[in-house]
Amino acid sequence: DIQMTQSPSSLSASVRDRVTITCRASQDIRNSLAWYQQKPGKGPKLLVYGASRLESGVPSRFSGSGSGTDYTLTISSLQPDDFATYYCQQSYIIPLTFGQGTKVEIK
Amino acid sequence: EVQLVESGGGLVQPGGSLRLSCAASGFSLNNYAMCWVRQAPGKGLEWVSVISGAGGNTYYADSVKGRFTISRDNSKNTLYLQMNSLRADDTAVYYCAKGTTVTSESDYWGQGTLVTVSS
Repeated sequence: DIQMTQSPSSLSASVRDRVTITCRASQDIRNSLAWYQQKPGKGPKLLVYGASRLESGVPSRFSGSGSGTDYTLTISSLQPDDFATYYCQQSYIIPLTFGQGTKVEIK
Repeated sequence: EVQLVESGGGLVQPGGSLRLSCAASGFSLNNYAMCWVRQAPGKGLEWVSVISGAGGNTYYADSVKGRFTISRDNSKNTLYLQMNSLRADDTAVYYCAKGTTVTSESDYWGQGTLVTVSS
């Protein structure tokens, strides 16, 4: 199975801060990487797929980048609605595996 | 509008069985891959199983293989997860999610249904 290592596990940030979350795969996943946002009591919401493609309706302050084994989700200017937990997922090979999550909290 | 609504969760004793349902609307199940993902209380997301669109091929996580069965009823536009020989570590919120292929991201998710395995 492909292991996905996400960091940090949590971070504190202020509104308008730039936030970066990283995800490292245990092997090359050929850009088959998605990012999700999850709020308490809700199902995840797709933000980015194919490593850098923004899902329709997702604000442009979210962006994804990376290749090979290393990927990044960036929030260019953190907004109040962005405080949540973020997960990466590789969709290169079954079983599809997730990172352990990054909780973004208010500083 | 795409909607996924899970049901069927509840409290079950270890060794027992439960069938989860996921009613889909706004699209036809048989045109898309559908998966189940679970989340233990306070923990991260764990992929459980997927069924392909047209062919109905199925795949499982090792942790549930041989105990869980994913299926769908196209006439009811409903996805199922039959869970047998349940264990305490199966306790989780179970989400159904829509994808494109069996190896694709999931673009729509349900709200989840809680399964608690306890005596």
